Amino acid sequence: SSELTQDPAVSVALGQTVRITCQGDSLRSYYASWYQQKPGQAPVLVIYGKNNRPSGIPDRFSGSSSGNTASLTITGAQAEDEADYYCNSRDSSGNPPDVVFGGGTKLTVL
Amino acid sequence: QVQLQQWGAGLLKPSETLSLTCAVYGGSFSGYYWSWIRQPPGKGLEWIGEINHSGSTNYNPSLKSRVTISVDTSKNQFSLKLSSVTAADTAVYYCARGGVAAAGPYYYYYMDVWGKGTTVTVSS
Repeated sequence: SSELTQDPAVSVALGQTVRITCQGDSLRSYYASWYQQKPGQAPVLVIYGKNNRPSGIPDRFSGSSSGNTASLTITGAQAEDEADYYCNSRDSSGNPPDVVFGGGTKLTVL
Repeated sequence: QVQLQQWGAGLLKPSETLSLTCAVYGGSFSGYYWSWIRQPPGKGLEWIGEINHSGSTNYNPSLKSRVTISVDTSKNQFSLKLSSVTAADTAVYYCARGGVAAAGPYYYYYMDVWGKGTTVTVSS
């Protein structure tokens, strides 16, 4: 089955821009979705589709994709953005396609 | 606003069967995929499997031999059973609503509504 690969940890200075990436063959067929998870809480969808934000998600969160790599960009990171971030798609090699998650990226806001 | 409420036993002994249920409030059951996901302590998210409103299922190959997901559309509920549990199955278990759509040459899949999670501990 296809896998999604994320960097384990990323840091960003307060107010700066950070990009979190996700790589995998399934991303050539599926846009990634991105989830934010804070300690002790359920994941929250922050980006889906080409670059769509659910209601209530700040516009500093954006998504992009190129080839087998998807990116989540936070422009002007805030202290409350410190969290784990997971990418997700479906494994297009399967029938039916399985759901896959990346291993997660821990974002630290300095 | 759609909400998911989940419940089930939180403490199991090895070899027992884990059983969780998730109720869907405030929205339609049809047209979506209803998933179970788990997260072992300190680790990432692992998809367990999904079911749609007509009862078609899809399971993570690594868990397929032990997993059963079922649906009761009359109650807007879906359930997870995981047999022969071991300490490795200790995790927070989440239910979630998933959707699939097309966007030009691509598809996208998303999980937009999640339950609060149920902590399941397997210990003798």
